[in-house]
Amino acid sequence: GAVVSQHPSRVICKSGTSVKIECRSLDFQATTMFWYRQFPKQSLMLMATSNEGSKATYEQGVEKDKFLINHASLTLSTLTVTSAHPEDSSFYICSARGALAGGLNEQFFGPGTRLTVL
Amino acid sequence: KNQVEQSPQSLIILEGKNCTLQCNYTVSPFSNLRWYKQDTGRGPVSLTIMTFSENTKSNGRYTATLDADTKQSSLHITASQLSDSASYICVVGRTGANNLFFGTGTRLTVIP
Repeated sequence: GAVVSQHPSRVICKSGTSVKIECRSLDFQATTMFWYRQFPKQSLMLMATSNEGSKATYEQGVEKDKFLINHASLTLSTLTVTSAHPEDSSFYICSARGALAGGLNEQFFGPGTRLTVL
Repeated sequence: KNQVEQSPQSLIILEGKNCTLQCNYTVSPFSNLRWYKQDTGRGPVSLTIMTFSENTKSNGRYTATLDADTKQSSLHITASQLSDSASYICVVGRTGANNLFFGTGTRLTVIP
């Protein structure tokens, strides 16, 4: 159990376009989803936390108007990178936490999405 | 400041050998510590998770230890396999908080 999927796994886009990444919890209801960004040879950096049905909470330095997060259901959250630029090229990973996780603040990670902006 | 530090940054070992990875943290108040394995281009996969009261936990050939007094943890891998080549990330959770604190990882390479 506790499977989290992401789509797409890879995306290449032109500078200035917008890209949407989906994160789904396949076998449990995710009350909270997290979005991370990881640059090469660095650790995961939390971008934002979203609870189902409410606005996302963004970490300091993350532009909420650039990285739009929607958590409309208990199994789906989306991250839209608007007006993408080459410096947005990174590995984006989501994680989900829900009833399956118990009381240990357990998060289950998706496989990640590699975004390349030309 | 809440930090998680791992050592070594990278490690190369021969197939079949054992190795130990280290993690020191200053996260407070401490809730739990977990070790993840992350293959290149993939998301992290949980290996072990320990709370304050646990000082060791095993998952197959992986054994994690936790000393909450010294705020140190280790991950021991026995009889390494080529498929163990990956980054191993130490992550610490804080009581009453959503966020996790990530170490920068140890890059393990197992060679034949």
